[in-house]
Amino acid sequence: ETGVTQTPRHLVMGMTNKKSLKCEQHLGHNAMYWYKQSAKKPLELMFVYSLEERVENNSVPSRFSPECPNSSHLFLHLHTLQPEDSALYLCASSQDEVGGGAYNEQFFGPGTRLTVL
Amino acid sequence: LAKTTQPISMDSYEGQEVNITCSHNNIATNDYITWYQQFPSQGPRFIIQGYKTKVTNEVASLFIPADRKSSTLSLPRVSLSDTAVYYCLVASRGGGSQGNLIFGKGTKLSVKP
Repeated sequence: ETGVTQTPRHLVMGMTNKKSLKCEQHLGHNAMYWYKQSAKKPLELMFVYSLEERVENNSVPSRFSPECPNSSHLFLHLHTLQPEDSALYLCASSQDEVGGGAYNEQFFGPGTRLTVL
Repeated sequence: LAKTTQPISMDSYEGQEVNITCSHNNIATNDYITWYQQFPSQGPRFIIQGYKTKVTNEVASLFIPADRKSSTLSLPRVSLSDTAVYYCLVASRGGGSQGNLIFGKGTKLSVKP
């Protein structure tokens, strides 16, 4: 248990569906992240939120829409996805933003295994 | 951007010491080097972090030479449960207030009995 939970753990959806991934952290952290991990590819940072404000969006397609209603919750809304979006989606949190200077350890959730048919 | 390069895979036997080296030639002055461990279908887990010289904790040691262009993760006396993918991460400050977090492809360590 890392203190970061994700639901659902598995999701199968069609290309026309709309679904949402949920992440919750119980660590009192200020920063939260979404990563995508495809088979045999490195972790790709998608979004970063710090104090509920989005601070980074690494050119992610608009069919992925993040939402951070408070510092403990992070959502990833999905719509009209493509089969190549099938991957493990990981949520992480850290005390403060990771960047130059003192590093903040990231705590990862177990991930949501997404399959797009 | 501080890109990292690691061996794709390594094999070892139980009880041996394993050293995994990561190259990060473009590391910036303020960057820290961090290693994560990931088991299949799980999120990565923090192992160790350092800035320079040597850092040791209860599970690993991290060696960083003076030029900081590489780092070596050392796992003493590995067991079967250490079979995992190990990622070297260098946090780089990029556009915007958030540094760019670039995970490499990782090193798949296989420990055999």
